[in-house]
Amino acid sequence: GEQVEQRPPHLSVREGDSAVITCTYTDPNSYYFFWYKQEPGASLQLLMKVFSSTEINEGQGFTVLLNKKDKRLSLNLTAAHPGDSAAYFCAVRRGNTEGADRLTFGKGTQLIIQP
Amino acid sequence: ETAVFQTPNYHVTQVGNEVSFNCKQTLGHDTMYWYKQDSKKLLKIMFSYNNKQLIVNETVPRRFSPQSSDKAHLNLRIKSVEPEDSAVYLCASSYPGQLYFGEGSKLTVL
Repeated sequence: GEQVEQRPPHLSVREGDSAVITCTYTDPNSYYFFWYKQEPGASLQLLMKVFSSTEINEGQGFTVLLNKKDKRLSLNLTAAHPGDSAAYFCAVRRGNTEGADRLTFGKGTQLIIQP
Repeated sequence: ETAVFQTPNYHVTQVGNEVSFNCKQTLGHDTMYWYKQDSKKLLKIMFSYNNKQLIVNETVPRRFSPQSSDKAHLNLRIKSVEPEDSAVYLCASSYPGQLYFGEGSKLTVL
């Protein structure tokens, strides 16, 4: 089955610096890619959903890059601020149909923004 | 805006007791899930229901049982809890493929 490796498990950066979190996956048939943010004591909130046909996706204060050749998905936070302190999870899904067996989560990255 | 509702959000109990968590989604989705998030924040799928039909059971202990009355509700019952059951239990629904999570139910087993 799909294997998703997320790195680093912990990341500490200074306010204003950038932070990069990377996930690699194994299944070449992976179709949808997700980044979730989990603030302390809260649930997971979707940051971005990426389709396999799009390589660069920009959100508010971050960029998601998808390299299908290398099977790598990255989240790049630009100019980090204290509100970015949270756990971040990537998730990778095969195909178009529903089913938890088709969605694999990374192990998460705990990001701390230092003032 | 929350559309997946879980109750209770916190529960403290002793080993051997029974616990139930309730989940309701107002998104009209056909598929609902229970995930377990441990103290290291690892997410593990426990159950998946598609329109009341169980479609995934990831070898969880038999003391865990999902219950669904309709596609908007998926409850989780734990009979005779054990210390390793202490975790946050996250309910989610999905369509198409994107998960919408509830706020979680944190279980502490003493």
